Amino acid sequence: AQRVTQPEKLLSVFKGAPVELKCNYSYSGSPELFWYVQYSRQRLQLLLRHISRESIKGFTADLNKGETSFHLKKPFAQEEDSAMYYCALRDSGGYNKLIFGAGTRLAVHP
Amino acid sequence: DTGVSQDPRHKITKRGQNVTFRCDPISEHNRLYWYRQTLGQGPEFLTYFQNEAQLEKSRLLSDRFSAERPKGSFSTLEIQRTEQGDSAMYLCASSSFLSPNTEAFFGQGTRLTVV
Repeated sequence: AQRVTQPEKLLSVFKGAPVELKCNYSYSGSPELFWYVQYSRQRLQLLLRHISRESIKGFTADLNKGETSFHLKKPFAQEEDSAMYYCALRDSGGYNKLIFGAGTRLAVHP
Repeated sequence: DTGVSQDPRHKITKRGQNVTFRCDPISEHNRLYWYRQTLGQGPEFLTYFQNEAQLEKSRLLSDRFSAERPKGSFSTLEIQRTEQGDSAMYLCASSSFLSPNTEAFFGQGTRLTVV
């Protein structure tokens, strides 16, 4: 079954500390993975996707097929990074629907 | 705001009542999705429209749920005989069929509370 697991409900760090939000997936074939972010009182929005291999707001994520992981990393957290982060997998059944993890709340303290 | 629009933003209803939510996608987007998000969980897929055709429905979508997109533009999601377990955030998202890898843009959601 296709599944996304985010093992941490809350990650609390101080400003300037490194951040790693964990995401593991279950998928047969070549997965397409995303990170979505939801800031307070805002809508869910795409942060980055693995096929773009880009860095957005200092965040990067590398797909590790051996470990079936797609962890989100940032070397120096900022207070404005505080938000809910959702890892998502594009469903293989077509129509581009997404399978989301339960989310991790990142709290960056001053 | 030219993004995906949902109405109402909040709905409180008594158990057993019917409710209807509306989603206006981004105008040129022909793909429209409904998701449901309960407390502490990520969004879960409910149904998908390509233009006016409803092409996929999740097992989560019981017989009490119905969705329409009559002219391939806005969509409605109706829940009949609401139950307390229907309390959740209902999210709408849209994307363009023309670009297979395009991102899905989400609305701000309708929060339903069944009392």
